[in-house]
Amino acid sequence: IAGITQAPTSQILAAGRRMTLRCTQDMRHNAMYWYRQDLGLGLRLIHYSNTAGTTGKGEVPDGYSVSRANTDDFPLTLASAVPSQTSVYFCASSEGTENTEAFFGQGTRLTVV
Amino acid sequence: GQNIDQPTEMTATEGAIVQINCTYQTSGFNGLFWYQQHAGEAPTFLSYNVLDGLEEKGRFSSFLSRSKGYSYLLLKELQMKDSASYLCAVSNGNYQLIWGAGTKLIIKP
Repeated sequence: IAGITQAPTSQILAAGRRMTLRCTQDMRHNAMYWYRQDLGLGLRLIHYSNTAGTTGKGEVPDGYSVSRANTDDFPLTLASAVPSQTSVYFCASSEGTENTEAFFGQGTRLTVV
Repeated sequence: GQNIDQPTEMTATEGAIVQINCTYQTSGFNGLFWYQQHAGEAPTFLSYNVLDGLEEKGRFSSFLSRSKGYSYLLLKELQMKDSASYLCAVSNGNYQLIWGAGTKLIIKP
């Protein structure tokens, strides 16, 4: 693993199903983030974690949950998917919490039908 | 509210210079980032400004005026590979980045 890895790369999901998007980084970064990117809109922060064991809500947290059991992993769970959650999801990490470069995973393209 | 504005799309010619503007209104300010995103790929970091003035990095430069809530990204000697979206993001001092919708730059031969 080099950098930050997301899985799956794409998924078609039936509405109402539960889904976990995986994110792993090997840079030992303290901060990790989940964003969604929709056409015509900027990246929107779903949840973040400043360090292992802590998480916080971003701009659009409803319908999503996260956990940060260790430094490397930051999974995002959709408890009961809805079509409005169709989007491209990016996981990112950074060494610090605010003023440092963020490194992004390649994204997960999720379609909820 | 918090808002970042960028032009939706710009077109430029290979070898030319283009300036992509970004204006922002945020609850706090702790620095401004520019990222490049090729279609279907992840954003990658280009620059970071926290003080007023111009930061130069090869063919790319970024400018910041905090009093005007304004930044621009200047791309010189444009190459076809510069065709991408350019994202402006502001650190609002609350552990979050506020992102603009991005400017799609189209380079023509």
